[in-house]
Amino acid sequence: KNEVEQSPQNLTAQEGEFITINCSYSVGISALHWLQQHPGGGIVSLFMLSSGKKKHGRLIATINIQEKHSSLHITASHPRDSAVYICAATFTGNQFYFGTGTSLTVIP
Amino acid sequence: NAGVTQTPKFQVLKTGQSMTLQCAQDMNHEYMSWYRQDPGMGLRLIHYSVGAGITDQGEVPNGYNVSRSTTEDFPLRLLSAAPSQTSVYFCASRPDRRGNQPQHFGDGTRLSIL
Repeated sequence: KNEVEQSPQNLTAQEGEFITINCSYSVGISALHWLQQHPGGGIVSLFMLSSGKKKHGRLIATINIQEKHSSLHITASHPRDSAVYICAATFTGNQFYFGTGTSLTVIP
Repeated sequence: NAGVTQTPKFQVLKTGQSMTLQCAQDMNHEYMSWYRQDPGMGLRLIHYSVGAGITDQGEVPNGYNVSRSTTEDFPLRLLSAAPSQTSVYFCASRPDRRGNQPQHFGDGTRLSIL
């Protein structure tokens, strides 16, 4: 069964803190996606990865294929990072399966 | 470059009414899809299309109809609205059916059924 689980569900951090959001999946994937959704807004793709690590500004995404686990890290967090972060996986059928999201609030 | 455009952004319907949610993309993407987003659940696939004239059902298709007469447009029709269809709806597109590429999402349509 194609399943994607995220943790934590909610996360509150002080500005400047290092943040980690976790994602695990049930079976082998073709790609793992991290998405960002701002309150009342649309959804934006942050990263797509199938191995290793990717970095964009203060955001870093890693994946461990053997452990079926991915992490999204935010360094030096800022209030503008407050959003819902969604993990999604594509399996052999090429459909996206989404986690339930992590709601992040960064307090000044 | 507009990307994926959804209209309307908000809509309130009465039970039994019908309506069409519009979705258009200007990136010449073959693959388009509709999702619904409900509290505590991940995005769920309603219908998708791999090209003009080709559509298929996703995970939660009941009560919805789609068509794809052009590459650009992929409207979602609610045939007879029910309170269970109260949700936020997102249209998305990507170049083709392969899953190892990012999807582009519209801004969403917030739909309430009374």
